Amino acid sequence: DVKVTQSSRYLVKRTGEKVFLECVQDMDHENMFWYRQDPGLGLRLIYFSYDVKMKEKGDIPEGYSVSREKKERFSLILESASTNQTSMYLCASSVRNEKLFFGSGTQLSVL
Amino acid sequence: QKEVEQDPGPLSVPEGAIVSLNCTYSNSAFQYFMWYRQYSRKGPELLMYTYSSGNKEDGRFTAQVDKSSKYISLFIRDSQPSDSATYLCAMSRGSNDYKLSFGAGTTVTVRA
Repeated sequence: DVKVTQSSRYLVKRTGEKVFLECVQDMDHENMFWYRQDPGLGLRLIYFSYDVKMKEKGDIPEGYSVSREKKERFSLILESASTNQTSMYLCASSVRNEKLFFGSGTQLSVL
Repeated sequence: QKEVEQDPGPLSVPEGAIVSLNCTYSNSAFQYFMWYRQYSRKGPELLMYTYSSGNKEDGRFTAQVDKSSKYISLFIRDSQPSDSATYLCAMSRGSNDYKLSFGAGTTVTVRA
């Protein structure tokens, strides 16, 4: 069974902290994505990666960075967490762009 | 104006009813159209995928695309309580387009 695993289901951090969200996929997919999901706004793409060490900005990259040192792992980094980054974060991977496999999400609260 | 508009609902229907969901979009370059289903506390999963205009049927689910009206629909026949979820439409410009544009999602509850 295909799997995208996000390291934390719930996370509570303080303003100004550096936050790492980890995602691992076991399907040998080239493409990996980080989205955030907010009520009324749907899913918005933060960053995606189409190969190891390659990354592209999505629609809302400000305040975030990413790292992909290995094919199966894609990390999202909040350099200095702010309250407006409180959200559900979803990682996904794919071979074809229309079929994304999502993880269960990390609900991040920044206080 | 959002690129993809989707009524958030919520939508509540009795078991066995037909559920009708839809999205409108503004970008005529979209060619690929998808519906994702998201259960509570889970990530979305691909339900239906269509290319360009037309209909596609898969069991109780039918997806329709009308590119001339920039309008897509998802119909669920004989709805079941297990269909209770949030349904998100998504679309892209081409197979090499990494950026899917998602609707906000419609929350559906099927009452037993």
